[in-house]
Amino acid sequence: DGGITQSPKYLFRKEGQNVTLSCEQNLNHDAMYWYRQDPGQGLRLIYYSQIVNDFQKGDIAEGYSVSREKKESFPLTVTSAQKNPTAFYLCASRGTGFSEQYFGPGTRLTVT
Amino acid sequence: KQEVTQIPAALSVPEGENLVLNCSFTDSAIYNLQWFRQDPGKGLTSLLLIQSSQREQTSGRLNASLDKSSGRSTLYIAASQPGDSATYLCAVRTPYSGAGSYQLTFGKGTKLSVIP
Repeated sequence: DGGITQSPKYLFRKEGQNVTLSCEQNLNHDAMYWYRQDPGQGLRLIYYSQIVNDFQKGDIAEGYSVSREKKESFPLTVTSAQKNPTAFYLCASRGTGFSEQYFGPGTRLTVT
Repeated sequence: KQEVTQIPAALSVPEGENLVLNCSFTDSAIYNLQWFRQDPGKGLTSLLLIQSSQREQTSGRLNASLDKSSGRSTLYIAASQPGDSATYLCAVRTPYSGAGSYQLTFGKGTKLSVIP
């Protein structure tokens, strides 16, 4: 089955710890994205990557970092510098041109 | 900066009713518009993609229209079912949204409840 996988589904961390969220796609898409979703707010773009070994900051990149070493993978690290890390994180990918964007199932991160 | 608005924020209808969800955007210079469905605690599922040159797209009981000049799109759901209950989001792709070039700008969604 083609699609986007995110792991884990739920993640719990103590304040001050860095945590890495996984995102893998087998759709052969060049572009990949990370969004954050909070109750009552729209999706906000954290980082995106149009091609391997390249990525750009979105609206709310502070406190986050990414890498894109392989076409299939775009992991997101939530660092201790992120002030309000508890949220639902969504990974997405898109093929060439102005094609459809697809989303993974999400990871819910809770930091206490 | 592109802004996307979805009104109402929530909608409750009896099963079998036809309904329309609304989406408006402030900048008509869009490449395309995409409608998504989100179930509680889940990711987004793409429903329909309308390119800027198109006026509508259909998939099963769903029909989405686009009026770029007026900055509006509607999602029509025919013969609604309880399984249609979810949050519906629209998003537009624009040359520059603030977050970067060619990115999607999302509305906050309309939460639909279809009552049996």
